[in-house]
Amino acid sequence: AQSVTQLDSHVSVSEGTPVLLRCNYSSSYSPSLFWYVQHPNKGLQLLLKYTSAATLVKGINGFEAEFKKSETSFHLTKPSAHMSDAAEYFCVVGSRSARQLTFGSGTQLTVLP
Amino acid sequence: DAGVIQSPRHEVTEMGQEVTLRCKPISGHNSLFWYRQTMMRGLELLIYFNNNVPIDDSGMPEDRFSAKMPNASFSTLKIQPSEPRDSAVYFCASSLVASADNEQFFGPGTRLTVL
Repeated sequence: AQSVTQLDSHVSVSEGTPVLLRCNYSSSYSPSLFWYVQHPNKGLQLLLKYTSAATLVKGINGFEAEFKKSETSFHLTKPSAHMSDAAEYFCVVGSRSARQLTFGSGTQLTVLP
Repeated sequence: DAGVIQSPRHEVTEMGQEVTLRCKPISGHNSLFWYRQTMMRGLELLIYFNNNVPIDDSGMPEDRFSAKMPNASFSTLKIQPSEPRDSAVYFCASSLVASADNEQFFGPGTRLTVL
């Protein structure tokens, strides 16, 4: 069984300040972990993906995430928020055995000018 | 590649009518997924296909929903009869293989409103 918990439903930051979106997962097997972003009225787009290689994963648009097995976490960070980062972000867990992905409930990121 | 293509982008219909949503996956992808997104329930997997064969339809809400994939480049999700509670955004996604460590590529979605 696998599950994912996004700890914040809403996060608000000022432009130019760091972003932290928190995600904890549960998986009976070696997990694959993803972050997807959804801009208003758009489909989901992959930001980054972890599949048991380097624990620090770099994605598009300056985002990165660190896989911490001891904490079962995969938090998404960005050093400096941009207005265009305002969107909903989904943490997703999968595994070879599960055959399908499990999506978190999403975190709405607001970037203030 | 144009990515995953969905049609229509918006659909407004009246309760009781049949609704058909369409999806064209990325060429060469062997797996196709249908999701529904609502404010209340978030993103839910309805059904997925591997090599045109339905593998898991446990997420399909009830018998009013049906999905087909007659060939590798086309899938439909049908609701008959439609109800107001079916109003949602329906996403189609595809991936190379039906393995949950593979990235899924999402279409732009179909926003369905049932009056």
